[in-house]
Amino acid sequence: SQQGEEDPQALSIQEGENATMNCSYKTSINNLQWYRQNSGRGLVHLILIRSNEREKHSGRLRVTLDTSKKSSSLLITASRAADTASYFCATYPSYGGSQGNLIFGKGTKLSVKP
Amino acid sequence: DGGITQSPKYLFRKEGQNVTLSCEQNLNHDAMYWYRQDPGQGLRLIYYSQIVNDFQKGDIAEGYSVSREKKESFPLTVTSAQKNPTAFYLCASRKGQGSGEQYFGPGTRLTVT
Repeated sequence: SQQGEEDPQALSIQEGENATMNCSYKTSINNLQWYRQNSGRGLVHLILIRSNEREKHSGRLRVTLDTSKKSSSLLITASRAADTASYFCATYPSYGGSQGNLIFGKGTKLSVKP
Repeated sequence: DGGITQSPKYLFRKEGQNVTLSCEQNLNHDAMYWYRQDPGQGLRLIYYSQIVNDFQKGDIAEGYSVSREKKESFPLTVTSAQKNPTAFYLCASRKGQGSGEQYFGPGTRLTVT
């Protein structure tokens, strides 16, 4: 069962613009993670935000988490053509304990035009 | 260089044949996972293993089998019972217990005709 739903499904922007992707989920979580996938490749972990955190930064990435709305957003600032990829949110439900498994959304496909 | 390797990158099989996908990691991670990804979709969990000699079914285990005889290796067999096996298969690992990040291999694209 898929917990997260990203929005939009696809996003096309110009280089230098900011890109914002949203993720909504259904159940209480332990943490929420964002991953990136280049076409035909494996996923790469970008950032993890815990349920008691509201905002986290990593380089050009900014993630927010609103547990009351069960939603998160990923902001990529000053985007580059190399940021073109699919971005997935994934949640660890809090009911799973240490045996819980990540549940992935369907992803946002980002295209950054030079 | 530490990481996860999957082989081969592309695999072609005829319908009715079993096929085994390889996944090896040298990260000394306890947990390993197999996911299936269909076009435009997220990842769905097939099987996972928290420790050697133990594994559990994920959300879509029917038609698949795994083994975990060594910590480094978690091969996935796609059997002829899997109705729609053509997909992109991703292996991942996670360090220890808990809810940390997962590390992914490059994937194997399986085409069954």
